[in-house]
Amino acid sequence: GQNIDQPTEMTATEGAIVQINCTYQTSGFNGLFWYQQHAGEAPTFLSYNVLDGLEEKGRFSSFLSRSKGYSYLLLKELQMKDSASYLCAVRFASGGSYIPTFGRGTSLIVHP
Amino acid sequence: ETGVTQSPTHLIKTRGQQVTLRCSSQSGHNTVSWYQQALGQGPQFIFQYYREEENGRGNFPPRFSGLQFPNYSSELNVNALELDDSALYLCASSLKTGAVEAFFGQGTRLTVV
Repeated sequence: GQNIDQPTEMTATEGAIVQINCTYQTSGFNGLFWYQQHAGEAPTFLSYNVLDGLEEKGRFSSFLSRSKGYSYLLLKELQMKDSASYLCAVRFASGGSYIPTFGRGTSLIVHP
Repeated sequence: ETGVTQSPTHLIKTRGQQVTLRCSSQSGHNTVSWYQQALGQGPQFIFQYYREEENGRGNFPPRFSGLQFPNYSSELNVNALELDDSALYLCASSLKTGAVEAFFGQGTRLTVV
């Protein structure tokens, strides 16, 4: 299977900026997603990258480098409600279909 | 609110039993994917259905099977339950296969004892 690597846990201060990294195996790559999942809730879609570069959406930005198999999610002006698990997911082409593979998630704790 | 609903929300089964989980996709979405999420892990892709046909499968044994109905709702069936099948089962619907954004339901928490 494909490995998606991201840090297990990160902590940050309210109002600060945090960057969550994600690395993956490049073979068969067909798009990268970031999801947010609060404890006990369903994941919600944050961003999608398929070309190299930065995608900005409000306080959240996501970056992709396909040649390096690397992405990051940047969260600015952190708020307490941003405390959640952040899931990096890569879609891989496999035998005519597309298989999404999720990382274990990065648990972000925002403290005052 | 995503519009994706799953039932039941919680379920307790005995090892060896069979279980059926249900998912109603968001209106207009013809693609449904199922995931298994163990505690502290990311979701693991089980399979995807597009217009009533299986359209991609993850690394799960054949005792995990599914159906999609003409109204695009879906079922996940698991036979011969094992203790390791205890997990949160998530259903996600999308507008079409390969769509960028998927909408997840709240999940069914399955406990196998």
